[in-house]
Amino acid sequence: DAMVIQNPRYQVTQFGKPVTLSCSQTLNHNVMYWYQQKSSQAPKLLFHYYDKDFNNEADTPDNFQSRRPNTSFCFLDIRSPGLGDAAMYLCATSSRGREETQYFGPGTRLLVL
Amino acid sequence: AQSVTQLGSHVSVSEGALVLLRCNYSSSVPPYLFWYVQYPNQGLQLLLKYTSAATLVKGINGFEAEFKKSETSFHLTKPSAHMSDAAEYFCAVKKSSGDKLTFGTGTRLAVRP
Repeated sequence: DAMVIQNPRYQVTQFGKPVTLSCSQTLNHNVMYWYQQKSSQAPKLLFHYYDKDFNNEADTPDNFQSRRPNTSFCFLDIRSPGLGDAAMYLCATSSRGREETQYFGPGTRLLVL
Repeated sequence: AQSVTQLGSHVSVSEGALVLLRCNYSSSVPPYLFWYVQYPNQGLQLLLKYTSAATLVKGINGFEAEFKKSETSFHLTKPSAHMSDAAEYFCAVKKSSGDKLTFGTGTRLAVRP
């Protein structure tokens, strides 16, 4: 089945220690998104790629970076995680077109010690 | 800017009862509307979407929603709740291609035996 895959499902890191979360997709979609979701809140868009074009949200901290080496993979790098960065990180994909339905991965829950 | 309002952050129903989750949107043009469901520690799963075709949209798991332009609403319903429907439900709106997906604050559905 075509899908969005996120690894790992749970990630523990230390305060200030860089961490990378990964996302892959078999849908061949040209748009990939990263969201941050804190407890009992809606997902918050951090950035997205349209093909290789990177689009950062204005309020995304510089601490968050992303890479998309090819169509299938996208990475979220947190350079110096703080306690406030503990959250669920969701990857989503869509195909550029009319409604651009977004399909989400299972998420990676990040814990910062 | 468009927005979406979900009335009721928590809804509780008895098993077998009608489920009604409310969503109202504000948009200057007919938008694309989506309902997603999120189970604990999971990503968002698309339940259904409105893309300006039929106003009554049927989704997965027996859910449906009706687009009412005059009321700017897209309420989600299910005739008979099942214990497995207990989850967080998000309504989301997108105005056009390339636009950001705007989420409501979510409604947590509890199903009593």
